[in-house]
Amino acid sequence: DQQVKQNSPSLSVQEGRISILNCDYTNSMFDYFLWYKKYPAEGPTFLISISSIKDKNEDGRFTVFLNKSAKHLSLHIVPSQPGDSAVYFCAASAGSGNTPLVFGKGTRLSVIA
Amino acid sequence: KAGVTQTPRYLIKTRGQQVTLSCSPISGHRSVSWYQQTPGQGLQFLFEYFSETQRNKGNFPGRFSGRQFSNSRSEMNVSTLELGDSALYLCASSLDPQGAGYGYTFGSGTRLTVV
Repeated sequence: DQQVKQNSPSLSVQEGRISILNCDYTNSMFDYFLWYKKYPAEGPTFLISISSIKDKNEDGRFTVFLNKSAKHLSLHIVPSQPGDSAVYFCAASAGSGNTPLVFGKGTRLSVIA
Repeated sequence: KAGVTQTPRYLIKTRGQQVTLSCSPISGHRSVSWYQQTPGQGLQFLFEYFSETQRNKGNFPGRFSGRQFSNSRSEMNVSTLELGDSALYLCASSLDPQGAGYGYTFGSGTRLTVV
């Protein structure tokens, strides 16, 4: 039973346009959500997070939106750059970070110049 | 400061053998978690250690085990290897369990291939 779902395995976007990566979750106990970015042959690196008490968090070109009623979050990258090409993982935690992170399967983003 | 170090980076083993992977967390970090990443799958949680104690365990068979030493370094062991154990094994460290999810830093992983 997959608690964190990223239904799009891949996404292609033109440079300069917006990239929107989506994530759905099923466990209502999740209260903290994160996005990680992974390049080949490297470990995932933390990108941005959001607590369930918020519905938006912004960091430079990256914005995460949380819709608790729909159990849905999304990551917006504006403008997209070729260096953003990577696999993006959505992750969730329950108990204010006191439980292991549960990851989705990832979405491969390709930003085309 | 040095990041999370995982050794070896690559490993090829034969079915039925056992393997030990090592993880050195960031200096001062006391919590270490292990994840398995296979093609088409996300990162699946194996176990988490804090102060030499296993704090959480994922849904993996008993062939997968781990431990943490007093210096916070951690090892994971897989016995009686199966072809399906071929994966990237990732270690993540954080200051403490409450930092998990907030301050996870991943290593580059160990790519295990079972033939």
